[in-house]
Amino acid sequence: GESVGLHLPTLSVQEGDNSIINCAYSNSASDYFIWYKQESGKGPQFIIDIRSNMDKRQGQRVTVLLNKTVKHLSLQIAATQPGDSAVYFCAEITGAGSYQLTFGKGTKLSVIP
Amino acid sequence: DTGVSQDPRHKITKRGQNVTFRCDPISEHNRLYWYRQTLGQGPEFLTYFQNEAQLEKSRLLSDRFSAERPKGSFSTLEIQRTEQGDSAMYLCASLRGEETQYFGPGTRLLVL
Repeated sequence: GESVGLHLPTLSVQEGDNSIINCAYSNSASDYFIWYKQESGKGPQFIIDIRSNMDKRQGQRVTVLLNKTVKHLSLQIAATQPGDSAVYFCAEITGAGSYQLTFGKGTKLSVIP
Repeated sequence: DTGVSQDPRHKITKRGQNVTFRCDPISEHNRLYWYRQTLGQGPEFLTYFQNEAQLEKSRLLSDRFSAERPKGSFSTLEIQRTEQGDSAMYLCASLRGEETQYFGPGTRLLVL
C-alpha cells in the first residue's frame, strides 16, 4: 500500500561528522514532506519541511533533499552533535484537506562523543 | 516547548477502566489532531478536528474511543474499557491553515 519508509533503522556517527538519514516514499501524489526529531519520552519536534516543487531546502545545520524521480527524501545534519541523538521520522501529508501525517518507522541516530 | 500541552503525561490503569486525556493546542490553531504511537513505530493518525467539528476518524479509532473538542479549543480523548493493546503514547498536534503540525509531549498510557 502507500507508505513512507526508511532505509536504515539505526545510524551511529562520530561527533562532528555529517549524518545522512534516508527515506523512501511510494505515494507519487504526495506534495509535502516533513522531518521530525523525537527524543526519548517526548513528542515529535519539527525540523524542516519541503514541498514537491523544490529539490532542496536548507535550515540551520540541516538540509533536506527531495528526488521525485526515485521518490527519495534525505535529511543531512552537518557537524552532528550529541544533542542530535534521537529518532528521526520522515512524514508525508496524506488525506486531501485533512493534512493528516503518515509517518515511517524512524531512524535512530546515535552520536558517539 | 511547542506550545501544545497534554495532561496527564503518564497514566497507569487496570484493564477495563476508563481513561481520559486532555490536549490544549496552540491558541490560534483551528485544527487539532490525535495520533497514537507504539514502541518503535511512527505515530498513527486517529482523528482530527477543525474548530469543534470532528471531520475524520481512522479505522484505528474503535467504538471504545471517543474524542471531543466542545468549544473549539482544548480536546479530550476518552478510552472506555481499556485493553492491554491500548498501551501506547497518545500524541496531540495542532496547526493553523496549511502550516506545520506541532506536537505536544504526549500521554503515555500503560494498561495492566
